[in-house]
Amino acid sequence: QQQVKQSPQSLIVQKGGISIINCAYENTAFDYFPWYQQFPGKGPALLIAIRPDVSEKKEGRFTISFNKSAKQFSLHIMDSQPGDSATYFCAAIASNTGKLIFGQGTTLQVKP
Amino acid sequence: DAGVIQSPRHEVTEMGQEVTLRCKPISGHNSLFWYRQTMMRGLELLIYFNNNVPIDDSGMPEDRFSAKMPNASFSTLKIQPSEPRDSAVYFCAASQGVNSPLHFGNGTRLTVT
Repeated sequence: QQQVKQSPQSLIVQKGGISIINCAYENTAFDYFPWYQQFPGKGPALLIAIRPDVSEKKEGRFTISFNKSAKQFSLHIMDSQPGDSATYFCAAIASNTGKLIFGQGTTLQVKP
Repeated sequence: DAGVIQSPRHEVTEMGQEVTLRCKPISGHNSLFWYRQTMMRGLELLIYFNNNVPIDDSGMPEDRFSAKMPNASFSTLKIQPSEPRDSAVYFCAASQGVNSPLHFGNGTRLTVT
C-alpha cells in the first residue's frame, strides 16, 4: 500500500534551473513531512522537513511548499547545481505510530 | 560521532543460506529502524524498535525474516533461509524519537544467488 506518492520518477534540469518534486499523501494522521537526499552508495540523509501548520519552509536553496487541504507537498531546489544530482525521497510520519513512510524517490540529474 | 555503523557492506550468498546483517546505532538514539531498498519497491520499513523493544514488525515480509536488539548498541536482521528475491540494500537507521531525524547507515548490499 503506497501511502505517499511521489513524482516524477526522474528529472533532468540544467544548471541554474529550478527542480520541482511533488508528493501526495492519503493519511490525514501524518503530521511531519521530511525530505531525504541519497547519493549512490550512501544511506538517505535528512535535507529539510515541515509540519502541516506551516505552508512553506525555506533553507538555503531548498524550499518545501505544503498544501494541507490538497494533501500535497513539494520540494523546490532553486539554482540547481550538479552537486545536487542525487535521489530525493519525500516521507511522512504519524506521531502516534512512529513509522516513517517514504515515497518512491526521484532521481535528479543536474546538467552542467 | 561515528554515525550508524552497518556490517558487512556487501554480502553475497547462495539461496538457502542464513544471512545476518548487523547494526550499531548512534549512542543515545533510542529508536532503531530496519529498511529494505529495491528499485521496484523503494524504501520499505521492515521493523522498528524503541528502547530495544520491537514496536512494529508488520513490514517484515515473511517468517524467514527476524530482527533482534539485545541492547541499546546492537541490532541484527537475520534471513533464514535466504532467497534470490531477498536481494536488496538493507539499511539500519536510528533516531532520538518520533519526529526526530533518522540517521541512516550506509547499508548492506545483499545478493542471493
